[in-house]
Amino acid sequence: QSALTQPASVSGSPGQSITISCTGTSGDVGAYDYVSWYQQHPGKVPKVLIFGVRSRPSGVPDRFSGSKSGNTASLTISGLQTEDEATYYCSSYTDVNRPAHVFGTGTQVTVL
Amino acid sequence: EVQLVESGARLVQPGGSLRLSCEASGFTFRNYWMTWVRQPPGKGLEWVANIRPDGGDTFYADSLKGRFTISRDNAKNSLFLQMSSLRADDTAIYYCARDTGNFYVDSWGQGALVTVSS
Repeated sequence: QSALTQPASVSGSPGQSITISCTGTSGDVGAYDYVSWYQQHPGKVPKVLIFGVRSRPSGVPDRFSGSKSGNTASLTISGLQTEDEATYYCSSYTDVNRPAHVFGTGTQVTVL
Repeated sequence: EVQLVESGARLVQPGGSLRLSCEASGFTFRNYWMTWVRQPPGKGLEWVANIRPDGGDTFYADSLKGRFTISRDNAKNSLFLQMSSLRADDTAIYYCARDTGNFYVDSWGQGALVTVSS
């Protein structure tokens, strides 16, 4: 159960679009459409943004979108806003050895 | 409103044991998978364990090597994490979380800080 790989940081200006990648293996991201994305502001609990690769819970703005290609999932934030500055984590289900979940390494998003 | 409230956190010596509790309210606890996730200070999230709604199956992160046990009491709407042989790298905020059953977490407790130090 190795952590999924994310870039350490991504930045963009207000109004721009940014994409965060999440690279796993054929045993997790590549095997199941059970990728989720979480946003965490400093000192706060994580909040789910995306589940099932591309579905958004009610209340999450449609500026957040998810996708997947092979072993890599992506989160795109369109129309970047200052309140989007936070750390983002992907997560995937895996059952290579036993059923488990694995998180990504986390990406700090900075709004310039 | 879904509420998850952790308790039991404290400073513990290396090699010691600790039991965390999580009291759930605002939803039908016995219908949901439940999960523990931890986050070392200043670091990323790590999935620890989860448990089926009826408590019949439990799953753990490989890194724990059998030191942690997740359990639940559906009659008391409570989730537990028994931790033993604690090490310094177990120091973290431990979050109790509700798993939707679709392989993602939609509600989190505020977290309980466990510090392992002599």
